[in-house]
Amino acid sequence: AQSVTQLGSHVSVSEGALVLLRCNYSSSVPPYLFWYVQYPNQGLQLLLKYTSAATLVKGINGFEAEFKKSETSFHLTKPSAHMSDAAEYFCAVIRSYGNNRLAFGKGNQVVVIP
Amino acid sequence: DAGVIQSPRHEVTEMGQEVTLRCKPISGHDYLFWYRQTMMRGLELLIYFNNNVPIDDSGMPEDRFSAKMPNASFSTLKIQPSEPRDSAVYFCASSLRGQETQYFGPGTRLLVL
Repeated sequence: AQSVTQLGSHVSVSEGALVLLRCNYSSSVPPYLFWYVQYPNQGLQLLLKYTSAATLVKGINGFEAEFKKSETSFHLTKPSAHMSDAAEYFCAVIRSYGNNRLAFGKGNQVVVIP
Repeated sequence: DAGVIQSPRHEVTEMGQEVTLRCKPISGHDYLFWYRQTMMRGLELLIYFNNNVPIDDSGMPEDRFSAKMPNASFSTLKIQPSEPRDSAVYFCASSLRGQETQYFGPGTRLLVL
């Protein structure tokens, strides 16, 4: 079975500073990995996904994530935070090869400080 | 594309009442997922369908919960009888092929008094 770990439920970042959200996965087979964003009172929206192609994945709104197999990590970054980035961010993994269950991490609530 | 449509957006009901949540997936998608989101438990997969057939319902909490997908464009999640601990946001999502991106609806916020 696969799972993801996101540390730190709340992350504060200054406007213009680097956004770094960490995600580690447990996997016995190559995973499919996703980052989703949830704005207040809305559903989840895909930011980016890794499906065994390029290890550096670029997503929407200036976000990117790098798949590092040696570290079993898929951290999300954005060079410069904007006020509109305030939201909750979820890392997710397809549970097991051939299975379609998407397992989510606990999420990171990002607060952007002016 | 209209995206995944859910109704109602908000539902307030009293304990013991039947609640029915509705979902219209994106046209052409062959997978449909029902999730529940709470502060305590985060996002949980309840059940998913492939080509209108339930594939995995191991996340359904108990017999009070049931889900159906009578056709490719409609699914329901029913709670009967409802309890206060069922209060949560329920999301429906759909995808084209199981391991592809899941597209989420706006959710139904359920409050059981």
